[in-house]
Amino acid sequence: KQEVTQIPAALSVPEGENLVLNCSFTDSAIYNLQWFRQDPGKGLTSLLLIQSSQREQTSGRLNASLDKSSGRSTLYIAASQPGDSATYLCAGLNNAGNMLTFGGGTRLMVKP
Amino acid sequence: EPEVTQTPSHQVTQMGQEVILRCVPISNHLYFYWYRQILGQKVEFLVSFYNNEISEKSEIFDDQFSVERPDGSNFTLKIRSTKLEDSAMYFCASIARDTRSFATNEKLFFGSGTQLSVL
Repeated sequence: KQEVTQIPAALSVPEGENLVLNCSFTDSAIYNLQWFRQDPGKGLTSLLLIQSSQREQTSGRLNASLDKSSGRSTLYIAASQPGDSATYLCAGLNNAGNMLTFGGGTRLMVKP
Repeated sequence: EPEVTQTPSHQVTQMGQEVILRCVPISNHLYFYWYRQILGQKVEFLVSFYNNEISEKSEIFDDQFSVERPDGSNFTLKIRSTKLEDSAMYFCASIARDTRSFATNEKLFFGSGTQLSVL
């Protein structure tokens, strides 16, 4: 059974800092790995998706990497802004393509 | 941008009552999902649905749960006899195609959720 873990659970940084969020998964047989953003009381917004054959994806100030062999993914946020404050979730998709397994999330606070 | 719509946003019910949570997926999407998030815990997969049948379900999705696509636009989750531990935020999600066909710019769209409180 896939288990996804995110470290740290919470992170507080001053505005402008670059930061890295970590995600690890136990079963390397994933089809892809996705990063989501969750604002309080809101749904989940997809940020980046990395196919199992890829190593990284970039979107603006966000860069996600994937190392299947070690069961790790990272989300790098450059030049953080207060608007980046949210919970960030990673999720691995099974090979059947019909089930995402989520990590517990990292709650990020960017202070002005 | 297209949206997945969920109603109601909040629902309070008594233990043992039936509840139906409603979702309107994006109109051209074919795959639908229900997830839930108990306060302070992980987002958990409940069920996926394609071509009018369940594609996959988790161990959480027992006989008390059912899903239905009663018409061309709605996708519902029914809990027959609610328990206290069913209290959670329930999220509906949809995607246009088989998730194995995700392109790098293709997204799984989530609704804003229904907060279910069982008293």
